[in-house]
Amino acid sequence: KNEVEQSPQNLTAQEGEFITINCSYSVGISALHWLQQHPGGGIVSLFMLSSGKKKHGRLIATINIQEKHSSLHITASHPRDSAVYICAVKRGGSQGNLIFGKGTKLSVKP
Amino acid sequence: DSGVTQTPKHLITATGQRVTLRCSPRSGDLSVYWYQQSLDQGLQFLIQYYNGEERAKGNILERFSAQQFPDLHSELNLSSLELGDSALYFCASSPWTGRDYGYTFGSGTRLTVV
Repeated sequence: KNEVEQSPQNLTAQEGEFITINCSYSVGISALHWLQQHPGGGIVSLFMLSSGKKKHGRLIATINIQEKHSSLHITASHPRDSAVYICAVKRGGSQGNLIFGKGTKLSVKP
Repeated sequence: DSGVTQTPKHLITATGQRVTLRCSPRSGDLSVYWYQQSLDQGLQFLIQYYNGEERAKGNILERFSAQQFPDLHSELNLSSLELGDSALYFCASSPWTGRDYGYTFGSGTRLTVV
């Protein structure tokens, strides 16, 4: 079993819909990251969380440390949100390398 | 511009050959991480350097090696290449090591071994 699991693997939505991507992990962590990878391949860091909730524009990320679960929400989705969203964790006490989920491929249709 | 520069962007080479991938970290960042992204494995950690010293090692093959130079740029050397080494190779940088902070990723080098 992977240490970081994401669901769903693929997600298709209509423009304007509210989207949720889930991430569960099985190791002790000091931080969780949400990343975005566009079709061109480049990776952009969206959020780093160690507790609670963060919001940036239409993106909201939450984490429940006790339940070892995080969610990424996109409000009022837009076709430009189409990308692969990757959850990654930094294991507590580690130097800094990340352990990644396999990603959620999101396609938002106009 | 993400601040992390990776060259080359694309590389096509034959089996058995050796290649060098280069990464310049974001200005001020001391840590460099190398990751491999293949279709079936997703993103996997290879190796980390901090201020010129190796700090952590992941699933890096013995045919692969890396170093970080005094100017903090890093190179990943891949030798005796096999078809299975075809992947996207990402470099990321961060200010420190061992603490919680954001990462900056490069745009990756797409390696195709034929």
